[in-house]
Amino acid sequence: DTEVTQTPKHLVMGMTNKKSLKCEQHMGHRAMYWYKQKAKKPPELMFVYSYEKLSINESVPSRFSPECPNSSLLNLHLHALQPEDSALYLCASSQVNMVSYNEQFFGPGTRLTVL
Amino acid sequence: GQQLNQSPQSMFIQEGEDVSMNCTSSSIFNTWLWYKQDPGEGPVLLIALYKAGELTSNGRLTAQFGITRKDSFLNISASIPSDVGIYFCAGQRETSGSRLTFGEGTQLTVNP
Repeated sequence: DTEVTQTPKHLVMGMTNKKSLKCEQHMGHRAMYWYKQKAKKPPELMFVYSYEKLSINESVPSRFSPECPNSSLLNLHLHALQPEDSALYLCASSQVNMVSYNEQFFGPGTRLTVL
Repeated sequence: GQQLNQSPQSMFIQEGEDVSMNCTSSSIFNTWLWYKQDPGEGPVLLIALYKAGELTSNGRLTAQFGITRKDSFLNISASIPSDVGIYFCAGQRETSGSRLTFGEGTQLTVNP
């Protein structure tokens, strides 16, 4: 299995809603990532988990709350978002070793619209 | 923050033509990755490069890790309509851990 899966594919939420994005991989990768991507721009790193521990938070607002329940799952909890948070949210995973640490494999993304 | 200069920004070519795009930086990178992204989908890893001077092929795609470790290029030979998409380079520096620095992307359009 060489896939990273993400659900839902699309999400529309109001500014007072609470929702969660989910990501799953079964490649045995021990690093997982959340990225935010605006149209026609490169992905921007938000969070990195390594061995289920948060290792990087790129100064992301607290209305985004990541969670890594186990080595295969990564969640992103959303609360009180703003319209400017509308974007494609990408999950990625990678090995954690010297050779292929940076071969990050991306999921298809969740298209989020905040009204 | 650290930037990668990716060029060209966009290309319009005829089916069958060869394509070349590149990324340059003022800093040294340990790893270069090339991704392709289709509309509404996540980036797909095409080629990973780990050694200066390394030349790697994946079908009609060929990428090289520059000798100076500050640049990389991607060539696509005999383009076909399904090559359409945005191509991103990404680099990793020794001091950046798992962070990748992405180029701004090259939008490729292939006319049948």
